[in-house]
Amino acid sequence: DAGVIQSPRHEVTEMGQEVTLRCKPISGHDYLFWYRQTMMRGLELLIYFNNNVPIDDSGMPEDRFSAKMPNASFSTLKIQPSEPRDSAVYFCASSPTVRRAFFGQGTRLTVV
Amino acid sequence: AQSVTQLDSHVSVSEGTPVLLRCNYSSSYSPSLFWYVQHPNKGLQLLLKYTSAATLVKGINGFEAEFKKSETSFHLTKPSAHMSDAAEYFCVVSLPGDSWGKLQFGAGTQVVVTP
Repeated sequence: DAGVIQSPRHEVTEMGQEVTLRCKPISGHDYLFWYRQTMMRGLELLIYFNNNVPIDDSGMPEDRFSAKMPNASFSTLKIQPSEPRDSAVYFCASSPTVRRAFFGQGTRLTVV
Repeated sequence: AQSVTQLDSHVSVSEGTPVLLRCNYSSSYSPSLFWYVQHPNKGLQLLLKYTSAATLVKGINGFEAEFKKSETSFHLTKPSAHMSDAAEYFCVVSLPGDSWGKLQFGAGTQVVVTP
């Protein structure tokens, strides 16, 4: 298995633009998580899905953030409009029913 | 409630000397505990995990950690540091049940290895 695949690896965008981050989880994993990593706040859970259904989105910082999982093999995290303070590394992780998370390599987002 | 505290934000060791990364947790339930490593410009990689089996857990790259319930600790050790061990290390706690998805990450410990 190729592991959790995130795209793009790096994204630079201008303030106000829409940004879409993509994630392909490991096949067969029932859980999918989106995390954000910043110097100030460390790693934060933004949202997670179970069987494609959002279970807890309490970590999503604002309404500008939205996440979808249209099927078991794909998820997106969208920021619209983006702001410089959204600059961070965004990680996607997936997990089977056993408590263990497999992380993607992350998307480094820079909003200028 | 749960929390995880990594006691050192930075650790500097000489190559070939032991590494100790300290982690304490607080949890009302039996937690699962993990150590993840993040190398520069790379994603998070699982080093090892504790899930109520043996209290001494061996991981990849020569790392191991010991779960001590009486001390609520899960310190990570390696007998001899290698230059490639320079990275950031995260101690992580997970609870069973509905809160499973809410992995609680420590603030991280940056490890520097000097020749």
